[in-house]
Amino acid sequence: AQSVTQLGSHVSVSEGALVLLRCNYSSSVPPYLFWYVQYPNQGLQLLLKYTTGATLVKGINGFEAEFKKSETSFHLTKPSAHMSDAAEYFCAVRVYGGSQGNLIFGKGTKLSVKP
Amino acid sequence: DGGITQSPKYLFRKEGQNVTLSCEQNLNHDAMYWYRQDPGQGLRLIYYSQIVNDFQKGDIAEGYSVSREKKESFPLTVTSAQKNPTAFYLCASSSNRDTDTQYFGPGTRLTVL
Repeated sequence: AQSVTQLGSHVSVSEGALVLLRCNYSSSVPPYLFWYVQYPNQGLQLLLKYTTGATLVKGINGFEAEFKKSETSFHLTKPSAHMSDAAEYFCAVRVYGGSQGNLIFGKGTKLSVKP
Repeated sequence: DGGITQSPKYLFRKEGQNVTLSCEQNLNHDAMYWYRQDPGQGLRLIYYSQIVNDFQKGDIAEGYSVSREKKESFPLTVTSAQKNPTAFYLCASSSNRDTDTQYFGPGTRLTVL
């Protein structure tokens, strides 16, 4: 069965500092992995996704993530945090079997950015 | 503009009352989903539908019901059997050509008093 673990429910960085949000997955088959962002009282927006091919995936707003099979990880990074990056971030893995397209989400990591 | 709309944004109901949450999309997507979000819990799948007139239970379907009579619409009813209905409800949709990417609506925050 597939699962996702996000390490750290809350991460705080200073503006201009590196952002690192951690995600580890469990999957018996090659995973499809996703990062979504949620601003307060809004829906989720896809930041980036990994399906096949290049293991370093670039997304919107300067974020990127690297799929590391040996570490079963898909950590999200951004070189320089901006105040507008403050939001909650969710890592997700696609479920195999059953219906197509179903996702299993991590519990989320809330990112705070200090001026 | 194409997108997903959910209404209302905030909803208050008394305990024991059924309530229906609206979800409409004009993206021409075949698949639609309902998730429930609780603080610190992430998103959990309630129901999903891949085609009109067909839907399947997700992980936490008890106390909820859905219908899919039109491609554009996937309303969710929270029944009185749902023991803890206060939550943030998110609707999403995806195209059969790209089932990996789900597009989310803005959500409805339901509070049961």
